[in-house]
Amino acid sequence: DAGVTQSPTHLIKTRGQQVTLRCSPKSGHDTVSWYQQALGQGPQFIFQYYEEEERQRGNFPDRFSGHQFPNYSSELNVNALLLGDSALYLCASSFGEENQPQHFGDGTRLSIL
Amino acid sequence: QKEVEQNSGPLSVPEGAIASLNCTYSDRGSQSFFWYRQYSGKSPELIMSIYSNGDKEDGRFTAQLNKASQYVSLLIRDSQPSDSATYLCAVNIQGQNFVFGPGTRLSVLP
Repeated sequence: DAGVTQSPTHLIKTRGQQVTLRCSPKSGHDTVSWYQQALGQGPQFIFQYYEEEERQRGNFPDRFSGHQFPNYSSELNVNALLLGDSALYLCASSFGEENQPQHFGDGTRLSIL
Repeated sequence: QKEVEQNSGPLSVPEGAIASLNCTYSDRGSQSFFWYRQYSGKSPELIMSIYSNGDKEDGRFTAQLNKASQYVSLLIRDSQPSDSATYLCAVNIQGQNFVFGPGTRLSVLP
């Protein structure tokens, strides 16, 4: 039973560039949430996708966008990268309702130079 | 006032002792509460979920919820050095999905 998988594991970009991160949910899950975790802090909610639509969004600028595909996998896109975007980006999957437990992937470590 | 608060620690306990981790939240309408464990350099791992007032036990872990006091805690019995990690409290706040606290670092001393 495959868990949540994310790619790539590490990424180095420069300011102003664009990046795409990918996530495949755990088998049987249909909902994908994305989080940003800075060092020493708890994860911060970016947005959640369900039935290929953005269901909820946290306090992140429009530079952060996403997509969910019919197979429930998801992408996170960040445009015009800033130094402050350096963080661990976590994908979590769950089934159905918003209050269900979320299971995390191993994350993508994004470094902006 | 932050929406989910935890003591950052570190909380140090001797091996075999009970570790008590606490979390308070601001939204009275919250219905779902979760504890995650995060080892350094790794992603959060779900330990417990709790939805009703009272205690919920799973092995060495007990989650306690008091909605009137807006308080949720995690007890770890017979603490082991392998329990040393950061423990994250997450609250499902309406309209905001999961809101995480900053985490409490636990150190279990052999």
